[in-house]
Amino acid sequence: DADVTQTPRNRITKTGKRIMLECSQTKGHDRMYWYRQDPGLGLRLIYYSFDVKDINKGEISDGYSVSRQAQAKFSLSLESAIPNQTALYFCATSDSTEKINEQFFGPGTRLTVL
Amino acid sequence: SQQGEEDPQALSIQEGENATMNCSYKTSINNLQWYRQNSGRGLVHLILIRSNEREKHSGRLRVTLDTSKKSSSLLITASRAADTASYFCATDAGGTYKYIFGTGTRLKVLA
Repeated sequence: DADVTQTPRNRITKTGKRIMLECSQTKGHDRMYWYRQDPGLGLRLIYYSFDVKDINKGEISDGYSVSRQAQAKFSLSLESAIPNQTALYFCATSDSTEKINEQFFGPGTRLTVL
Repeated sequence: SQQGEEDPQALSIQEGENATMNCSYKTSINNLQWYRQNSGRGLVHLILIRSNEREKHSGRLRVTLDTSKKSSSLLITASRAADTASYFCATDAGGTYKYIFGTGTRLKVLA
């Protein structure tokens, strides 16, 4: 969905490096999410934020941190990347005022940690 | 984990046939959603069914929900090659709006 953008789209890095993945949205949604996807495991929730001052851990937050710089921006950081963080990362948004809490996904960031 | 599980993990059918995939979950829910993912891309919302609904239709999609069995099914009728994708169910973990996704069903429709 072009309204949710992620940068970079692909990244190869080395063990121990700090990495930041960025997500921006023009949908005006208040809720934002970060997921990782591994083959055969579906999507797992890393962190979520229901507004600028609200940050919550998901299923697998260890090794990750997030920052909600503005309503439209939600970044995910890996302070010291490790190989098992190699995965496809998705940002998503949703609107709390909508009856259907549909999530809109970005195109994903493919991260490889060597 | 409250993760849902889809069954089967993979499904291969001929164009024109119907495709049925199932989702089981562990906790009470307010609603359940189905998403589609084309290879390596972001997920796209297909349909939502609320806990007080038993069946819902949208075009060639039919979703059922059985809260007593904690299960849902997605039926795609008259499948097309373009339906080839992975399909995921997502549950709202007891109304928290923190959605938990299942492991997905990979559907391949042969032309």
